[in-house]
Amino acid sequence: DAGITQSPRYKITETGRQVTLMCHQTWSHSYMFWYRQDLGHGLRLIYYSAAADITDKGEVPDGYVVSRSKTENFPLTLESATRSQTSVYFCASAMVETDTQYFGPGTRLTVL
Amino acid sequence: GQNIDQPTEMTATEGAIVQINCTYQTSGFNGLFWYQQHAGEAPTFLSYNVLDGLEEKGRFSSFLSRSKGYSYLLLKELQMKDSASYLCAVMDSNYQLIWGAGTKLIIKP
Repeated sequence: DAGITQSPRYKITETGRQVTLMCHQTWSHSYMFWYRQDLGHGLRLIYYSAAADITDKGEVPDGYVVSRSKTENFPLTLESATRSQTSVYFCASAMVETDTQYFGPGTRLTVL
Repeated sequence: GQNIDQPTEMTATEGAIVQINCTYQTSGFNGLFWYQQHAGEAPTFLSYNVLDGLEEKGRFSSFLSRSKGYSYLLLKELQMKDSASYLCAVMDSNYQLIWGAGTKLIIKP
């Protein structure tokens, strides 16, 4: 099916482990985004990408790494997971930066 | 700093009308978005305002006043399926979305 998908949907890991969250979109959108959503906060931007091989930091980038070798994929890596990174992570995409953003189903990550 | 304010929770009755307010203070303004988010699901796009005034889309309408830094989402003929969180987001001068914490709308029969 066309759209934007994320995997895994649920992940439990331990402090200090490396974790990679995957995001894939089939719309050929130029822009892709990673957000985290925590109770009591609005969505917070972690990283975004304007095109393949172009990425930039958002509001809360510390502890996260991204790459974008292909237009359709935008993986997010937690290099050494901490409990404060327990959250729901959403990937989104948009045709251009001013366009409506469309969200994937989310990954619920728990760091023990 | 940048700030988006919206009520944490609202309750309304099935069939009634509810207005969810959003006030904002941001570095620049390139449009305001409303999204709906059901529990455990992704946000889905509802509406976009960049000029002052009312945008109507079926049972949902969204209003913007840029001079007042204010928007509202109006939901008419409420249905049980409208129980969800409603997220207000403003696109700032860097074309990044600044999000409110969301308003949880509870619909009672």
